[in-house]
Amino acid sequence: NAGVTQTPKFQVLKTGQSMTLQCAQDMNHEYMSWYRQDPGMGLRLIHYSVGAGITDQGEVPNGYNVSRSTTEDFPLRLLSAAPSQTSVYFCASRQRVTGELFFGEGSRLTVL
Amino acid sequence: DAKTTQPPSMDCAEGRAANLPCNHSTISGNEYVYWYRQIHSQGPQYIIHGLKNNETNEMASLIITEDRKSSTLILPHATLRDTAVYYCIGSDSGGYQKVTFGTGTKLQVIP
Repeated sequence: NAGVTQTPKFQVLKTGQSMTLQCAQDMNHEYMSWYRQDPGMGLRLIHYSVGAGITDQGEVPNGYNVSRSTTEDFPLRLLSAAPSQTSVYFCASRQRVTGELFFGEGSRLTVL
Repeated sequence: DAKTTQPPSMDCAEGRAANLPCNHSTISGNEYVYWYRQIHSQGPQYIIHGLKNNETNEMASLIITEDRKSSTLILPHATLRDTAVYYCIGSDSGGYQKVTFGTGTKLQVIP
């Protein structure tokens, strides 16, 4: 099992550009989520999904869109990148029985 | 999900037990206490979780008070590799409730 795979690992954008961070998991987990982590800070929940076709907002959803068309994939879209969105983004999936979260390696985004 | 409170930082001598406290006074009856750690800038890693009984695994022990308002994560023999940020979280175990992280405790293991 690959676990949770995030791409790209690094990205530099200019203000106003859009992009999609990809997240895929091969553990058949229904729950998936996106977090951002700014330097020296904790993780903040952006969006989460409890199954295909179901998404909901987290703590800091503005400027981001998500969709969940399959169990495996949960992409995060930045509509119009801003310097304030410079951060490390983590995708996670959650096992139903134990509730344990499995994290990807992170995607480091810089917006100039 | 329950709000948790942790000290921002702690030091521990290498080889000694590290005891990391967490207050979760608003935790509901069906919410578990989960502990994760984040080493440097990697993705957080699951350590242990429990409902009301004390739990132990190969990584750590979890002691939950009888009233469930607080808990302590114990690393029995801390090593330099245990230097990390430790997060305490209250959440359901069914995988349907959103999971939010606090600011955690930065544990520094000192040689």
